[in-house]
Amino acid sequence: DGGITQSPKYLFRKEGQNVTLSCEQNLNHDAMYWYRQDPGQGLRLIYYSQIVNDFQKGDIAEGYSVSREKKESFPLTVTSAQKNPTAFYLCASSQWIGTATYEQYFGPGTRLTVT
Amino acid sequence: DQQVKQNSPSLSVQEGRISILNCDYTNSMFDYFLWYKKYPAEGPTFLISISSIKDKNEDGRFTVFLNKSAKHLSLHIVPSQPGDSAVYFCAASNGEGNDMRFGAGTRLTVKP
Repeated sequence: DGGITQSPKYLFRKEGQNVTLSCEQNLNHDAMYWYRQDPGQGLRLIYYSQIVNDFQKGDIAEGYSVSREKKESFPLTVTSAQKNPTAFYLCASSQWIGTATYEQYFGPGTRLTVT
Repeated sequence: DQQVKQNSPSLSVQEGRISILNCDYTNSMFDYFLWYKKYPAEGPTFLISISSIKDKNEDGRFTVFLNKSAKHLSLHIVPSQPGDSAVYFCAASNGEGNDMRFGAGTRLTVKP
């Protein structure tokens, strides 16, 4: 089955610790994205990557870091510098043809709670 | 700033009737619009889209209407079914991956 997997589903961390969220896709998509969802708000883009070894900051990149060493994988690290890390994190992927993107396919999400 | 707005946080409809979900946007550069459906504890799934060169796109029970002059789009579900109960997100893009903007979502409840 093709799709996007995110693990774990729930994650708990103490304040001051870095934590890495996993995202893997087997859809052969070029582009991958990380979003954050907070109650009453739409999805906000953290980082995106169009190709391997390249990524760009989204609207709320501060306190986060990513890597794209393989086409299938786009892990997100929530660092201790992120002031409000507790949120629902969604990973997505899409085809990328020229400058146009098609609809994004989302993973099931990871709910991170930092206390 | 919220470039995509869904002003109704929730909507309740009787089974068999029409559900109309609304979305407004402010950026005139957006040229591609999408609706996503999200069940609890799952990621959003793509439902239907429309390009700015069209004013209507239909897929089975789902129809999206685009009014460019009003910067408004709507999703019609006819007839509504209990399985349609979910949160619906409107999204808009200018074709660049870094500019996909999402609304806050509308929770649709279809009552049997």
